[in-house]
Amino acid sequence: EAQVTQNPRYLITVTGKKLTVTCSQNMNHEYMSWYRQDPGLGLRQIYYSMNVEVTDKGDVPEGYKVSRKEKRNFPLILESPSPNQTSLYFCASSSSSTNEKLFFGSGTQLSVL
Amino acid sequence: AQSVTQPDIHITVSEGASLELRCNYSYGATPYLFWYVQSPGQGLQLLLKYFSGDTLVQGIKGFEAEFKRSQSSFNLRKPSVHWSDAAEYFCAVLYTGRRALTFGSGTRLQVQP
Repeated sequence: EAQVTQNPRYLITVTGKKLTVTCSQNMNHEYMSWYRQDPGLGLRQIYYSMNVEVTDKGDVPEGYKVSRKEKRNFPLILESPSPNQTSLYFCASSSSSTNEKLFFGSGTQLSVL
Repeated sequence: AQSVTQPDIHITVSEGASLELRCNYSYGATPYLFWYVQSPGQGLQLLLKYFSGDTLVQGIKGFEAEFKRSQSSFNLRKPSVHWSDAAEYFCAVLYTGRRALTFGSGTRLQVQP
C-alpha cells in the first residue's frame, strides 16, 4: 500500500531537548516536504527536498533542520525545541515538484512544555 | 503577497443539502489550484485539482470545483452532502516559481442529520 509514515504520532517534550520526527515513503517519490498546521493558519511549509541531498527552506524554517540521505526518508529535527513549536506536523511526498498530488502522513502532534 | 483566502471558518449543513465552500487567491496569472480534505486525526487527501482547460473539474467523493478567473476563485461544491463529508477542507495554490503549496486557513464542515 502506498503510504507516507510518520513517527511518533504524539510527542510531549520539554524545552531544549532535541527530538527527531521520522518520515518515510514507499512510493519512490523524489519530492518530500514538511508542514506545520496551526489553528487559523492552515498549513505552512517548513522545509522541502527535491531529491537525495537536496533540501531547501520553506516559509517557516527557523528552529528546524532536515536531512535527505536516502530517497525514502526525510526526518525533521528540532535541535532545541521551544513552546512556539508546539504544533501538528505533516510530512508529504510527491512524484514531482509541481505537487500534482501530495501524499500526506497521518501527522505528529508535538507539545513542547 | 501571495495568499489564499477561505472566508468561512466553519459551515454547518444538513445531510442531503448542497454545499459550496469558497476559496479566493491573489495572483495575476493562473496558478495551479487544489482542494484537500482532512478527516479527524488524518492527513490531508487530495479531492481535486485544476491546472488548465475546462474550468469545471470533477474530483473524488462526488465533489467538483469551478475556476473563475474573473473572480480569482476556485469554489468547491457538492450537490448532496453525506454525514461522512464532515471534515476540514483546505484550498491550496501552487504559484509559479514556488516549490510549496500555499494553503488557506481551512473550512470546517459540520453535517447535521
